Amino acid sequence: QVQLVESGGGVVQPGGSLRLSCAASGFTVNNYNMHWVRQAPGKGLEWVSFIENNGRSKDYADSVKGRFTVSRDNSKKTMYLQMNSLRAEDTAVYYCAKDGDNWAFDYWGQGTLVTVSS
Amino acid sequence: QSALTQPASVSGSPGQSITISCTATSGDVGSYNLVSWYQHHPGKAPKLMIYEVNKRPSGVSNRFSGSKSGNTASLTISGLQAEDEADYYCCSYVDSSTWVFGGGTKLTVL
Repeated sequence: QVQLVESGGGVVQPGGSLRLSCAASGFTVNNYNMHWVRQAPGKGLEWVSFIENNGRSKDYADSVKGRFTVSRDNSKKTMYLQMNSLRAEDTAVYYCAKDGDNWAFDYWGQGTLVTVSS
Repeated sequence: QSALTQPASVSGSPGQSITISCTATSGDVGSYNLVSWYQHHPGKAPKLMIYEVNKRPSGVSNRFSGSKSGNTASLTISGLQAEDEADYYCCSYVDSSTWVFGGGTKLTVL
């Protein structure tokens, strides 16, 4: 069965950096595009980033463009989100999600909490 | 500012039907039939309920249905059950590999 497990969350000071990981299993990882989605405390879901199955095409929400970088290592079945210049408003649960090849996110991880605070 | 507007809350009694709307406020979002809906119980992983406006993934109850008219997509849940109480989000592909979520709707089963 499809499993997505996020890790790497924690507490970081404003201006700091953090790298999240998403370990995938149960499907042919290099066949599918992947996404990061976040949810700030008390707020709704926000799409953050997309990466094509081969890692060539990437895109980002305006709120993180220039600060976050998505990547993947298909040999390790893992996707990453490098987050730099973190701000208080980046505090959220970060989910990785598998693209269903149908413009939707058909499987999600349980999320990892990132807290940006001094 | 979200390009998809949802009501903050809806409610219904067990057995009733409810509809959650999702209105596109920018033209390019409304022109795609690429709307999906997610159910989110707090503390759990979101679950895909509807994709491409009205298609149901395998395993999702046929009590859930989707539709779209003009710039407004809708999720209808019939035969409300207690376990349907959750937050629901619409989402649309925008362009150039970007997506946008609606603000979310809290469903209360009375």
